[in-house]
Amino acid sequence: NAGVTQTPKFQVLKTGQSMTLQCAQDMNHEYMSWYRQDPGMGLRLIHYSVGAGITDQGEVPNGYNVSRSTTEDFPLRLLSAAPSQTSVYFCASSYSRTGKRGYTFGSGTRLTVV
Amino acid sequence: TQLLEQSPQFLSIQEGENLTVYCNSSSVFSSLQWYRQEPGEGPVLLVTVVTGGEVKKLKRLTFQFGDARKDSSLHITAAQPGDTGLYLCAGDAGGTSYGKLTFGQGTILTVHP
Repeated sequence: NAGVTQTPKFQVLKTGQSMTLQCAQDMNHEYMSWYRQDPGMGLRLIHYSVGAGITDQGEVPNGYNVSRSTTEDFPLRLLSAAPSQTSVYFCASSYSRTGKRGYTFGSGTRLTVV
Repeated sequence: TQLLEQSPQFLSIQEGENLTVYCNSSSVFSSLQWYRQEPGEGPVLLVTVVTGGEVKKLKRLTFQFGDARKDSSLHITAAQPGDTGLYLCAGDAGGTSYGKLTFGQGTILTVHP
């Protein structure tokens, strides 16, 4: 089925470890983004990309890196995990940056940093 | 930083009742989206409103965008247990901020049979 695929679904990291959250979409969407969801705070934008080779920071970018080498993939890297990064992470994509067609979200990665 | 205040945070009602969820801001948005999220899943788009004063209907759900494009509401008529979930509003500022969605805190709706 077409959509946004995130892996892994669950992950436990020790403080200081690094890891990459994978995100892939097969809808040929131009725009992709990463959000984190914390209780009572809604979703907050971490990084986004308007096309291959172009990325920019969102509201809470510190501690995360991204790259966009292809249209389909937009991985999120945690450089040195901290307990404050315990959260649920969602990847989203849209046909265009205007988003007037709305965004398609993946099912999320639940990350716990101990 | 733009803020979207969503209210109420929690709503617990009986099947058949009507309800309204509000999303308010002091900022103007080029578009506003409503999503529904089930536990363990990502948000799913319900509707996008882009014109001030716009009203959209999706079966028993009615969405309205304020005339000044600063606020929106979601009204559910005759709620059913299947409507239970987390409802999120999200605004897109447009211009150089296109694509930077600002989300409200969400409304957890529980509809009891």
